[in-house]
Amino acid sequence: QLQLQESGPGLVKPSETLSLTCSVSGASINSHDHSWGWFRQAPGKGLEWLGNISDSGSTSYNPSLNSRVTISLDTSKNQFSLKLTSVTAADAAVYYCARRWFEVPYSGFDPWGQGTLVTVSS
Amino acid sequence: AIQMTQSPSSLSASVGDRVTITCRASQGLRNDLAWYQQKPGKAPKLLIFGASNLRTGVPLRFSGGGSGTDFTLTISSLQPEDFATYYCLQDYIFPPTFGQGTKVEIK
Repeated sequence: QLQLQESGPGLVKPSETLSLTCSVSGASINSHDHSWGWFRQAPGKGLEWLGNISDSGSTSYNPSLNSRVTISLDTSKNQFSLKLTSVTAADAAVYYCARRWFEVPYSGFDPWGQGTLVTVSS
Repeated sequence: AIQMTQSPSSLSASVGDRVTITCRASQGLRNDLAWYQQKPGKAPKLLIFGASNLRTGVPLRFSGGGSGTDFTLTISSLQPEDFATYYCLQDYIFPPTFGQGTKVEIK
């Protein structure tokens, strides 16, 4: 059974870099039928897509993040990671990772990790 | 970015009611729209993909419809475990964008 688990610091200082990891079990992250995504949800708000990474390492990012985001794979650990630079209070949110699942020609994000809360404060 | 507008933002309904949520896109999406259910403190769960395809394991009381710019999620007979917030997500035109959510509450 595929499972995802986010981890990382729960508190980040303004202007610093937020770094999170998503550990995947039950499948290989470089399996050809998978790609992976990051999302976030500010307290009491809706969901926002941050970016995707494919099994080969190709990435796409939300333009609203102004090039502050980087997603990478670590195949040796079966993990993928999110880095968000120059954080502000607006980046405080629950961050989720998810598998992008394909049933051609459509896709969906399933399953999701449980989420990890990140607070931005000095 | 494509704007996704859900309506209503919230609704109150009773167990057994038929509930329909609408998602309208600012541009045509073909059928590349998904619906997610999120319960408080939990991660979203995929219900419907490709506008009308039920994800394996999702109860048959959930159904999706529509194409182009107007889509619906219908719960045919609301159950206690269905009280949650529902989001649509378009992944047809970059970047993927969510609707603002519809909170389904107990009447």
